[in-house]
Amino acid sequence: GESVGLHLPTLSVQEGDNSIINCAYSNSASDYFIWYKQESGKGPQFIIDIRSNMDKRQGQRVTVLLNKTVKHLSLQIAATQPGDSAVYFCAETSGGYQKVTFGTGTKLQVIP
Amino acid sequence: KAGVTQTPRYLIKTRGQQVTLSCSPISGHRSVSWYQQTPGQGLQFLFEYFSETQRNKGNFPGRFSGRQFSNSRSEMNVSTLELGDSALYLCASSLVGQVSSYNEQFFGPGTRLTVL
Repeated sequence: GESVGLHLPTLSVQEGDNSIINCAYSNSASDYFIWYKQESGKGPQFIIDIRSNMDKRQGQRVTVLLNKTVKHLSLQIAATQPGDSAVYFCAETSGGYQKVTFGTGTKLQVIP
Repeated sequence: KAGVTQTPRYLIKTRGQQVTLSCSPISGHRSVSWYQQTPGQGLQFLFEYFSETQRNKGNFPGRFSGRQFSNSRSEMNVSTLELGDSALYLCASSLVGQVSSYNEQFFGPGTRLTVL
């Protein structure tokens, strides 16, 4: 079936560096793409979303890029901090805006 | 403003039993969604309730059901529990304004269900 998947299971970055987390998706009918962060013992936390008719959106220290040609989504975190250590999920909605399909997750480890 | 609360936080049941999990959304939020999280399958959408009506449904068997009350609180029920139902069950609420766009979901801490 349709799926949202992540390229790398684990990403290690040095504190202060920029992080890039990638995601491939297969559903051409996706309406929104969303990034979530999940810390140990907690539920996912919304980071940023992007509508399918956009190719870039910026938030505080984060940027999401959407390339519909190759069905690729990325999350860039500037000046990565230890508090950014978590599992990051990309997700998408289609045919029901609150029905979210999650990818498998990438674990981001920040090295002090 | 208080976040999404889920009760109980931990639950142990045996096969064949049934279980009811509760979710209280953020005040003013009218949409409540439920997700199952397991190491093998990841995060999977169960269903969404809005104004006491199930609006979206995932691909889970009929043993999984839910409901929403007039105060937006929601419960989900799993009957005839199987070992594979062991998971973290997450509830998320959102302030649904326009139905034609995604509305940020706020997740609770989850209920950890263990089926023995």
